[in-house]
Amino acid sequence: TQLLEQSPQFLSIQEGENLTVYCNSSSVFSSLQWYRQEPGEGPVLLVTVVTGGEVKKLKRLTFQFGDARKDSSLHITAAQPGDTGLYLCAGGTTDSWGKFQFGAGTQVVVTP
Amino acid sequence: SQTIHQWPATLVQPVGSPLSLECTVEGTSNPNLYWYRQAAGRGLQLLFYSVGIGQISSEVPQNLSASRPQDRQFILSSKKLLLSDSGFYLCAWGNYGHEQYFGPGTRLTVT
Repeated sequence: TQLLEQSPQFLSIQEGENLTVYCNSSSVFSSLQWYRQEPGEGPVLLVTVVTGGEVKKLKRLTFQFGDARKDSSLHITAAQPGDTGLYLCAGGTTDSWGKFQFGAGTQVVVTP
Repeated sequence: SQTIHQWPATLVQPVGSPLSLECTVEGTSNPNLYWYRQAAGRGLQLLFYSVGIGQISSEVPQNLSASRPQDRQFILSSKKLLLSDSGFYLCAWGNYGHEQYFGPGTRLTVT
């Protein structure tokens, strides 16, 4: 069973600051997804990365997939209160019948 | 575009009562379907997944069961609820791709 570890578990910052969330595993994944979830709602897909070393940008969010496809990071520049939420990473493998392993999540709170 | 529905949105049930949660998907054919449970503010635990009608795989032995009577319908059931069944239940669909798309969830409280 592949395990995805996210760090930190909780992050509280002021508006305008930068933050980075990490997702690490000892296993190789064929793809890795990042989701954001707000209280009482389902997770919303932010991005999927599939190539080792891949970097994707979504406005102020930058996602990176490690060269060995075992880890990923999410960096938010100039965070805003709207970035508040639970950030989840999920990894998939080609032999897992479309199943994904989820990390425990990082709760991000951005205060004005 | 694809849409995924779950109902009910919230449910309060006594211990020992039965349970039926429903999930339907629109706008796609032969999707993989998934049931997850989420503890407050934490990650997702995969409960069941299905690659086709009548094909269900269980990930965690428990008091729950799942069925897929139609291509785009997925049902989570229990004959007798336990207190430990309380949680936030999420349905998701995927197409052997690299993503899953989630429904709005059902908050279940067992009293």
